[in-house]
Amino acid sequence: KAGVTQTPRYLIKTRGQQVTLSCSPISGHRSVSWYQQTPGQGLQFLFEYFSETQRNKGNFPGRFSGRQFSNSRSEMNVSTLELGDSALYLCASSLEVGGGYTFGSGTRLTVV
Amino acid sequence: GQNIDQPTEMTATEGAIVQINCTYQTSGFNGLFWYQQHAGEAPTFLSYNVLDGLEEKGRFSSFLSRSKGYSYLLLKELQMKDSASYLCAVSRSGNTPLVFGKGTRLSVIA
Repeated sequence: KAGVTQTPRYLIKTRGQQVTLSCSPISGHRSVSWYQQTPGQGLQFLFEYFSETQRNKGNFPGRFSGRQFSNSRSEMNVSTLELGDSALYLCASSLEVGGGYTFGSGTRLTVV
Repeated sequence: GQNIDQPTEMTATEGAIVQINCTYQTSGFNGLFWYQQHAGEAPTFLSYNVLDGLEEKGRFSSFLSRSKGYSYLLLKELQMKDSASYLCAVSRSGNTPLVFGKGTRLSVIA
């Protein structure tokens, strides 16, 4: 079966712009989680969605938002981009909240 | 809160055995995951321990001691392709997301 699909794989944006990242989970998985990965901080939790509802949220500013659609696909949006937002953004799907994750290949965002 | 510690970097020789430790302090502990992540790629699942003890899966084994808040990943017969980051992650009760350590970068040298 198809894995977790994230698009786009690479993205370069300018400070102040906004960006939308997409994640399609494994078929049948209803939970989608987003993490930001940077060399110094490791994987930092952004938010988790289950059945179109945000179930958990990490300690990121309000510029980071997300949503989940009825087909379980999820998007995350970052507005007013800052240089420090440059990172690998990973999406993971699981059958349930807090379950074992299958990760997508990530979107590498570079803010210049 | 929760705290997960693992060494930042380790180096080992091809064919040898290496043990990567992970200590954690967390409430509502359910279990502990280990993931492998090659540079530029997604993390991939290696193991999940819920009960105390050692679980072996081929060249990889994972150990858990719930009372000590301690786990390790044991890699035997190291190969160059084992060079990667190894992430431990804690699963907690109450429908909460996994919490990851910062990862251990393992370099396997000839």
